[in-house]
Formats: sequence, C-alpha cells, structure tokens
Amino acid sequence: AQKVTQAQTEISVVEKEDVTLDCVYETRDTTYYLFWYKQPPSGELVFLIRRNSFDEQNEISGRYSWNFQKSTSSFNFTITASQVVDSAVYFCALSDPTWGSGTYKYIFGTGTRLKVLA
Amino acid sequence: GAVVSQHPSWVICKSGTSVKIECRSLDFQATTMFWYRQFPKQSLMLMATSNEGSKATYEQGVEKDKFLINHASLTLSTLTVTSAHPEDSSFYICSARDRGLPSYEQYFGPGTRLTVT
Repeated sequence: AQKVTQAQTEISVVEKEDVTLDCVYETRDTTYYLFWYKQPPSGELVFLIRRNSFDEQNEISGRYSWNFQKSTSSFNFTITASQVVDSAVYFCALSDPTWGSGTYKYIFGTGTRLKVLA
Repeated sequence: GAVVSQHPSWVICKSGTSVKIECRSLDFQATTMFWYRQFPKQSLMLMATSNEGSKATYEQGVEKDKFLINHASLTLSTLTVTSAHPEDSSFYICSARDRGLPSYEQYFGPGTRLTVT
C-alpha cells in the first residue's frame, strides 16, 4: 500500500538557519511522482516541486533544494537561510497509478509545521 | 493558467442543514476532480474521485449518502454535505485534473472552511 511518512511533526528554527524536512514514502509502482506543497495559515496549498521516479537528480530553486533518493525511498526538502515567511505546514505527497487503475491519486504525509522565529 | 476556484471560501451552517460547495476549473477542462477533507492540524484525506458524467468513487469510510458529489460538466463539481453535524466541520479542498495534461497532475483549489454549529 502507498504511504507517506513525515516523522517531524513540528520544527522550530531561528531565522537564517538551514532546515531539512524529511519525507519517506512507500509504493509498489515503479512509476510514481513525488510532490512538496506549502500550506500557509490561509490554507491554500502552494505547489513547490514535482519529481518523477525516474529522475533522481537533486534540484535547487533559490533557497529551496530537494534530495531524492530511491535507495532509501526518501524525498527530503531543505530550506537554506530560513525566513519568517517560510513558516507554514509543509506536505510531502505521493502520486501513483493506484493499483493499476490508471487513476493517479495523491497520498499526503501528515505534514511538518515549520516555525521560523525572528 | 490552471486555476481552480472554490465557492464559498467559508460557510457557517446550522446542524441538520445541507450545504453545497462548488469547485470550478477556470481555464481548463477537468475530466476528473477530487475532494479532500482536512481536519485542524491534520493531513489532507481523499474523500472521493469524480469523473465528469459518471458517479463518484468514494474512499473507504466516506459516507456517499452524506457527501453527495456531482460532476455535471467539465468545469464544475459540487460537494453537498447533507444533514451536517458539528463533526463535519472541516476544511474541504478540491483538486482538478486537466484533460489535456498528464494524469498525475492535479491543481488544487483554495479550500472551503465549513463550520457547523
């Protein structure tokens, strides 16, 4: 069965610190997609990144970077030089063709609440 | 592009009444829409998948008679919470899949916060 685990429930850091949010996933499919979303207090999900299972290249976008390792089924997210505006709940999600149906459903992790203190 | 709207953004209703939430894809045609529920400080849980012109498929444990989903057109899906109770108070989020894009892409709406008093 598919599963996404975000073991860190809440993390607090001081501004300018680097912080890594962990994500571990389980799936039976060889083709799947991984996502990170940010959910600020307003509730609206903000898309951050999508990776497919065949592309293990790490990615950097400004202060954000992602480390995808199939060997450990992990897709970790690092924020460099964190800012107060980064405070939000971050969700990791897995999408795969559930049970061969072809319907890609999203399975979300439980989220990590990041608090960046000034 | 790829904008999904929800209406209303928040609603308060009395226990026992029904409330309808709309989900619209504004600039694309959505063959499939998904409805999620998120309780405070919890994750998003998929409630149901709806395909245009056919019955919705509900996830295990979701009461289909209580959460009525209609996907009548390629741009509109509605979720009706019937006989709402305080325990139905939650944040409801829809997402839509663009028929012209890969099936793993979903675009999320801004959510509707439902409070049942």
